[in-house]
Amino acid sequence: DAKTTQPPSMDCAEGRAANLPCNHSTISGNEYVYWYRQIHSQGPQYIIHGLKNNETNEMASLIITEDRKSSTLILPHATLRDTAVYYCIVRVASDSWGKLQFGAGTQVVVTP
Amino acid sequence: ETGVTQTPRHLVMGMTNKKSLKCEQHLGHNAMYWYKQSAKKPLELMFVYNFKEQTENNSVPSRFSPECPNSSHLFLHLHTLQPEDSALYLCASSQDPGGGVVSTDTQYFGPGTRLTVL
Repeated sequence: DAKTTQPPSMDCAEGRAANLPCNHSTISGNEYVYWYRQIHSQGPQYIIHGLKNNETNEMASLIITEDRKSSTLILPHATLRDTAVYYCIVRVASDSWGKLQFGAGTQVVVTP
Repeated sequence: ETGVTQTPRHLVMGMTNKKSLKCEQHLGHNAMYWYKQSAKKPLELMFVYNFKEQTENNSVPSRFSPECPNSSHLFLHLHTLQPEDSALYLCASSQDPGGGVVSTDTQYFGPGTRLTVL
């Protein structure tokens, strides 16, 4: 299984863009990159996922490098409610069903 | 997000008690999961059910016993737990296409049950 590396923490000013990096240098060609976040003491929340093209939805944008060895999650205008642990996950590509392996994630703190 | 509900939200139990955690999904999904999140540890997958059949058991001790009576409900029966089993137990659901195809389904999580074992 491809593993991911994320910085343990980062701060972001309210209203500014938050750029969250993730390295997944051993990713396989058919593995997707997923991002989830977990606000304190709540269940994780799906944000976005992608294979090799950049993706955007109402929550965030996902930029995947051409060699797919790293990606960046962009929160375009961070708010205080975006304070959470953000998980970058590479989807296990096997005959297993929907397994997600969570790492330690990045603790993002948005400050006023 | 109210698609996946869990009850109770908080539970305190002694080591000799028997209790059950309940999860219900209202999303029409066919796969359900139990995860455990201990303090300062990543989420750990415990069990996976697809089409009501258990397809994954991540070496979970037998004092945790899952039950999936239908595709909308998932239970975790607890018996003679240890204090180190205190954690946040999270349920999730997703829609799997079946046939061993790796899908791009996303998982939707419930709010969790905060369990304390005394």
